[in-house]
Amino acid sequence: GNSVTQMEGPVTLSEEAFLTINCTYTATGYPSLFWYVQYPGEGLQLLLKATKADDKGSNKGFEATYRKETTSFHLEKGSVQVSDSAVYFCALKGFQKLVFGTGTRLLVSP
Amino acid sequence: DTGVSQNPRHKITKRGQNVTFRCDPISEHNRLYWYRQTLGQGPEFLTYFQNEAQLEKSRLLSDRFSAERPKGSFSTLEIQRTEQGDSAMYLCASSLNYSSGGLVGELFFGEGSRLTVL
Repeated sequence: GNSVTQMEGPVTLSEEAFLTINCTYTATGYPSLFWYVQYPGEGLQLLLKATKADDKGSNKGFEATYRKETTSFHLEKGSVQVSDSAVYFCALKGFQKLVFGTGTRLLVSP
Repeated sequence: DTGVSQNPRHKITKRGQNVTFRCDPISEHNRLYWYRQTLGQGPEFLTYFQNEAQLEKSRLLSDRFSAERPKGSFSTLEIQRTEQGDSAMYLCASSLNYSSGGLVGELFFGEGSRLTVL
């Protein structure tokens, strides 16, 4: 079946550091891939997405590239801010629904 | 606020009691999803509706769980004879399906209803 594997957290960084959160997936066919973010006290919200191989999704300085050959969709940001502290979920779209990874907590200190 | 609204935000109950959660989606959204999230895990799909029709239920969903979406607007999720293992955050999300102009995979989540079963 469809599944998503994310690196365990928490990831602890200083402000302006480079961020990578790894995500790999298992799926039949070529699913669309997503990153959702959950800020403290808020609901999950879509951060970025890619719908086919080699697509790059980007938003708020975050990027992720759909790599079919490695079945990966790693999240990156060149310079994190304290306000990026949140839980990040990688997800894929199976038939009519999203399948989520376990989430990776990011903590950014000043 | 025109986002997805869930009530109650927190429910504490004793084992064996019934509980009901309500979700009010974004008004023009025709799809509504229920997910469950336990500590340290990602959201786990429970069921979804297109308008008033319940189109899919997770095989993990026991018979004690039932969801409805009368008239295709708000939805309720009822858990009968609660067990301690039901303790979790219950998330509701809504979206427009693709043919109605929605974006693939873009779900709008509420803040969740936390259930604690003692």
